[in-house]
Amino acid sequence: SQELEQSPQSLIVQEGKNLTINCTSSKTLYGLYWYKQKYGEGLIFLMMLQKGGEEKSHEKITAKLDEKKQQSSLHITASQPSHAGIYLCGADNAKTSYDKVIFGPGTSLSVIP
Amino acid sequence: GAVVSQHPSRVICKSGTSVKIECRSLDFQATTMFWYRQFPKKSLMLMATSNEGSKATYEQGVEKDKFLINHASLTLSTLTVTSAHPEDSSFYICSAGGQGYGYTFGSGTRLTVV
Repeated sequence: SQELEQSPQSLIVQEGKNLTINCTSSKTLYGLYWYKQKYGEGLIFLMMLQKGGEEKSHEKITAKLDEKKQQSSLHITASQPSHAGIYLCGADNAKTSYDKVIFGPGTSLSVIP
Repeated sequence: GAVVSQHPSRVICKSGTSVKIECRSLDFQATTMFWYRQFPKKSLMLMATSNEGSKATYEQGVEKDKFLINHASLTLSTLTVTSAHPEDSSFYICSAGGQGYGYTFGSGTRLTVV
C-alpha cells in the first residue's frame, strides 16, 4: 500500500522567515494534494499537483512535485502567524476515477510573532 | 465551488447509544464519499469508502458493524457509530471524491462519548 512521509514533523519559525515542508511517497503519485488544517476543524484545500515537475503558487505558498512524482515540497515565503496550523499532504492513485486519498502524518507549523 | 455540508459539528452522547453523522454535497453529485477519523494530534485515517447505491468498502481494522455507512443517494452519505464507547470519541470528517481541484471535505464532527 502507498505510504506518505512528511518532514519535518513539527516546525517553529519566526514570523517573516521562509520554510519548507516535504512529502515523500513510496510509490509514484497520480495526484498530490496539500491541505492545511487547524486541529478539530475541516481541511482547507491548498493545491493539487499532477504532472512531474509541476509547480503552483498561491499567495505566499508554493508547491512543487518532482519529475519522478514521488516527492513534493511546500514552501512558504515570509511566514505569518496566519500560516500556523497542520499541513497535510495527501495522495491518490486514480487516473480515471476517484480513488481514496491517503494522508501523510502532517507537519505542525507554529509561527512566532 | 463544491461544498460538502457535515453535521452535527459537535455531539456528546452517552456510552451505549448510537450517533449518526451526515454529509451532504450541496451543489454536486458525490458518487464516492470517504470517511476519515482523526485522533488528537494525528493525521487523518481513512475508515471507509462508500459509493452511491452499494456497500461501503472498509479499511483494514475498521469494524463495519460498529461504523455503519450508508450512501443512499448521490448527495447524502451517513456514518452511524453504533453502541458508542469512550474510545470512539474522535473527530470524524467526510470528503467527496475530486472535483477537479481536490477532494471536498466536510467541516468535521467532534464526537465525545461519556
